[in-house]
Amino acid sequence: NAGVTQTPKFRVLKTGQSMTLLCAQDMNHEYMYWYRQDPGMGLRLIHYSVGEGTTAKGEVPDGYNVSRLKKQNFLLGLESAAPSQTSVYFCASSLPPNYEQYFGPGTRLTVT
Amino acid sequence: GDSVTQMEGPVTLSEEAFLTINCTYTATGYPSLFWYVQYPGEGLQLLLKATKADDKGSNKGFEATYRKETTSFHLEKGSVQVSDSAVYFCALEQAGTALIFGKGTTLSVSS
Repeated sequence: NAGVTQTPKFRVLKTGQSMTLLCAQDMNHEYMYWYRQDPGMGLRLIHYSVGEGTTAKGEVPDGYNVSRLKKQNFLLGLESAAPSQTSVYFCASSLPPNYEQYFGPGTRLTVT
Repeated sequence: GDSVTQMEGPVTLSEEAFLTINCTYTATGYPSLFWYVQYPGEGLQLLLKATKADDKGSNKGFEATYRKETTSFHLEKGSVQVSDSAVYFCALEQAGTALIFGKGTTLSVSS
């Protein structure tokens, strides 16, 4: 039982490049989330999903897109990376009604 | 909107000292409250939670009581260890929505 896994662990992009972060969970959770963590800002929600085929915007969705084609996977896309998107990205999942969220190990992204 | 405010750090303590990290919240309704911990280089882990007023969450010697009258959920531990050094996040969750986090408090414990 791997829990929540994230790919890749580290990535460096140039401004304007695109990439996709992959999150996978093997706990059969309905809800999945993408957060970004910046110094002094805590974690902020980018997008989330309440089930396969659904997505919704969080607090800071601009510049990101997401897809949930399979229940176990939640993809975060950056269409045209900007230096302001340099951050650590965390994926999480949960199974209502408990709502305890399980976090992945994070992806450290640097945009130069 | 809903929000969480927690004391700024860093908090620096000696081993076996008493720990308090303050957390207050603003929310409509009756949110669930959580403390998450992040060890260096890792993701967040749930430390403890409380789902209704006057509930006490506890785990690994840490405790927090859901105080609706003061809208608080302060984290306490009677005797900290070096291994408790981490970043601690207070968070709230309304049913059906994502977590709202405080900015985090860094705890550093020295021997």
